[in-house]
Amino acid sequence: GNSVTQMEGPVTLSEEAFLTINCTYTATGYPSLFWYVQYPGEGLQLLLKATKADDKGSNKGFEATYRKETTSFHLEKGSVQVSDSAVYFCALSEGTYKYIFGTGTRLKVLA
Amino acid sequence: DAMVIQNPRYQVTQFGKPVTLSCSQTLNHNVMYWYQQKSSQAPKLLFHYYDKDFNNEADTPDNFQSRRPNTSFCFLDIRSPGLGDAAMYLCATSRDLFQGGSTEAFFGQGTRLTVV
Repeated sequence: GNSVTQMEGPVTLSEEAFLTINCTYTATGYPSLFWYVQYPGEGLQLLLKATKADDKGSNKGFEATYRKETTSFHLEKGSVQVSDSAVYFCALSEGTYKYIFGTGTRLKVLA
Repeated sequence: DAMVIQNPRYQVTQFGKPVTLSCSQTLNHNVMYWYQQKSSQAPKLLFHYYDKDFNNEADTPDNFQSRRPNTSFCFLDIRSPGLGDAAMYLCATSRDLFQGGSTEAFFGQGTRLTVV
């Protein structure tokens, strides 16, 4: 079945450091891929998405590129801020009205 | 301009006492979902509605039920809450794939359920 694997956290970085959170997926077809962010006590907010191979999603300085050859959708940001501290979920959807989430990666950014 | 609204944000219920969580949406999306999220875990899909068609996940306990009286509202009923049902419950919506457009799910802020 379809699945999403993302790197375990927590990830602790200093402010202005470079961020990478790895995400790989397994799917039988051509899924849409998403990154969601969850702040403490809140629901999930869409951070960015990509719907086909080689698409790059970007938002608020975060980027991720849909790589079909490596079945990956790694999240990157060039310079993190304290306000980026949250839990990040990679997810996929393959047209079945189901969204499959990874286990989440907690990011902590220190001033 | 909140789009998916969950009430209440925090709910405390007694062990075994039925409880209902509510969700409303202003997006006019055909599909609505209920997820359960326990601490430090990924959201787990309980069920979803496509219009009025109810789709239960195979591993969702019978203790969890849902109602969708119209497009805008969806309810999660927990018939006899146990201590293990304490969690964040997330409502989400998405567009009908055949309508085209955005493919992502839109989430509410969640209801944190405590069972005492």
